[in-house]
Amino acid sequence: DAGVIQSPRHEVTEMGQEVTLRCKPISGHNSLFWYRQTMMRGLELLIYFNNNVPIDDSGMPEDRFSAKMPNASFSTLKIQPSEPRDSAVYFCASKVAGERDEQYFGPGTRLTVT
Amino acid sequence: GENVEQHPSTLSVQEGDSAVIKCTYSDSASNYFPWYKQELGKRPQLIIDIRSNVGEKKDQRIAVTLNKTAKHFSLHITETQPEDSAVYFCAASESGYSTLTFGKGTMLLVSP
Repeated sequence: DAGVIQSPRHEVTEMGQEVTLRCKPISGHNSLFWYRQTMMRGLELLIYFNNNVPIDDSGMPEDRFSAKMPNASFSTLKIQPSEPRDSAVYFCASKVAGERDEQYFGPGTRLTVT
Repeated sequence: GENVEQHPSTLSVQEGDSAVIKCTYSDSASNYFPWYKQELGKRPQLIIDIRSNVGEKKDQRIAVTLNKTAKHFSLHITETQPEDSAVYFCAASESGYSTLTFGKGTMLLVSP
């Protein structure tokens, strides 16, 4: 099992540019989570999907952030336009919805917006 | 919604000592409590979890205890080693479809 896969691992972009982060969950997992981690705010849940359907996006900071899950094996988190305060590590995690609670994290994408 | 408080924020111990990290939660419906370890520059990794039908769980040098009445749970690491140095996060959720609510993390430093 390859685990949760994220790309890119590092992204450096200029303010105003569009950024797209990608995630492939563990095969068979039907819940997917996007988190943002900063020193100041810790681990924040941005949005999560069950069976490809967004369930709770209340953690998405503002309209500049959007997320999609077109199929069970792929999700994207897009920031447009990016701002310096978006600089953080973005983690994707997945689990089996329902009776299994263990949630597994991907390696993260370190985003720097200059 | 759920609120998880974690203490201390930093903890320094000597190799071989024990370390204890404590968390409290607010939602009495929560019944699943995992602990994650995050080494510098790495992803959070699940190290142990406990469900509300048990009061304690052990796995080699780590153990977790749960007091549902008081709504608190703790991570205990015995015989600490330098490789235990990391940030530890507690979390809570209602088992099933609910999301995890994380504490702010504890940076543990084990000195040789």
